[in-house]
Amino acid sequence: ETGVTQSPTHLIKTRGQQVTLRCSSQSGHNTVSWYQQALGQGPQFIFQYYREEENGRGNFPPRFSGLQFPNYSSELNVNALELDDSALYLCASSSTGGDTQYFGPGTRLTVL
Amino acid sequence: AQSVTQLGSHVSVSEGALVLLRCNYSSSVPPYLFWYVQYPNQGLQLLLKYTSAATLVKGINGFEAEFKKSETSFHLTKPSAHMSDAAEYFCAVSRGGGGADGLTFGKGTHLIIQP
Repeated sequence: ETGVTQSPTHLIKTRGQQVTLRCSSQSGHNTVSWYQQALGQGPQFIFQYYREEENGRGNFPPRFSGLQFPNYSSELNVNALELDDSALYLCASSSTGGDTQYFGPGTRLTVL
Repeated sequence: AQSVTQLGSHVSVSEGALVLLRCNYSSSVPPYLFWYVQYPNQGLQLLLKYTSAATLVKGINGFEAEFKKSETSFHLTKPSAHMSDAAEYFCAVSRGGGGADGLTFGKGTHLIIQP
């Protein structure tokens, strides 16, 4: 069974740029959620995708957007990067109606 | 709305001593509760979960937690700490059933194991 994978591992961008992060869900999982974890904080829910549609969103601005593909993999896009967007971005997958989310290793984004 | 409070941003115990990490939650509906562990520069690993079945939940690596509705608590314990338990621990709550509003996490507790 393949776990959740994310790419890239690390990324450095400058303020105002755009970034795309990628996630492959665990085998058999069709729901993907994205979280932002600032240094020294707990993860914060960004949004969730199911059947290629966003079906839940946390308190994040519209410049945070996503996609889910037919194979259930997902992308997180962030436009107009700000310094405060520097964080570890975590992807988690779960099955339909599943109560447990399984996390990937994360992508460390640094915005200069 | 849901929230999680983890008491103590840092907890230090001696190797072999009892580990107790505290978590209190607030939820308007019966909650699902989780403990995750995060090692440096890694993602989150599920330790255990409560999903309205048995109130005492056993997880991996010898950890367990007890759901106490009257106290709105879900504290994590381990009888005997090991050096490899040093990590960041997060308590999380959801509305269950794959809730589309995601998991709400506490700020985390850094567990330090003294030799």
